Amino acid sequence: EVQLVESGGGVVRTGGSLRLSCGASGYTFTNHGMSWVRQSPGRGLEWVSGISWNGDSTSYADSVRGRFTISRDDAKHSLHLQMSSLRAEDTALYYCVRDIDYIALDSWGQGTMVTVSS
Amino acid sequence: QSALTQPASVSGSPGQSITISCTGSSRDVGAYNYVSWYQQYPGKAPKLVIYSVSNRPSGVSNRFSGSKSGNTASLTISGLQAEDEADYYCSSYTTSNLGIFGGGTKLTVL
Repeated sequence: EVQLVESGGGVVRTGGSLRLSCGASGYTFTNHGMSWVRQSPGRGLEWVSGISWNGDSTSYADSVRGRFTISRDDAKHSLHLQMSSLRAEDTALYYCVRDIDYIALDSWGQGTMVTVSS
Repeated sequence: QSALTQPASVSGSPGQSITISCTGSSRDVGAYNYVSWYQQYPGKAPKLVIYSVSNRPSGVSNRFSGSKSGNTASLTISGLQAEDEADYYCSSYTTSNLGIFGGGTKLTVL
């Protein structure tokens, strides 16, 4: 069974930084790309960032490009999202997701909450 | 990039069929056959129900089907059941190698 477990969320001041992590198990981690998707309270889904199966390719939504960095550690079966220059509008539940086919996101973690406040 | 356009809400009675549309552009929905659909219950993570326009993941009911014409994709749920009441989101891969979601549609089973 595929399992994705996020950690690292919390409350941070505007302009601060936070690093999210996601541990993956139950499948061959290096066979799939991964993404981060966020959902603000009571709002819809927003794709944030993605990384290819081998880490060679990364992509970012316009809203986070230049502030967030996605990475993966294949030896530890983990995915990370380094977030800096955080803004109030980054407040959301952040999901780690497995990508099986160009933003076909078939496995989701339970999410980790990030709250940015002044 | 703006979100894909979905109706805010749709409704139907048990046993009926409903269709949710997802309209994008030639830079996303119209560019590739990489449209997916997700079902989300309150307080739960989304679940993939359709990928690559019309493919169902293992375990998803065959009452769920997807299609696409031009820049608009559609999700159809036939034989509507009370358990189908949820929020539904579409997503697409884009020509900028990014992902994009629709704004979401609340399905009410009357």
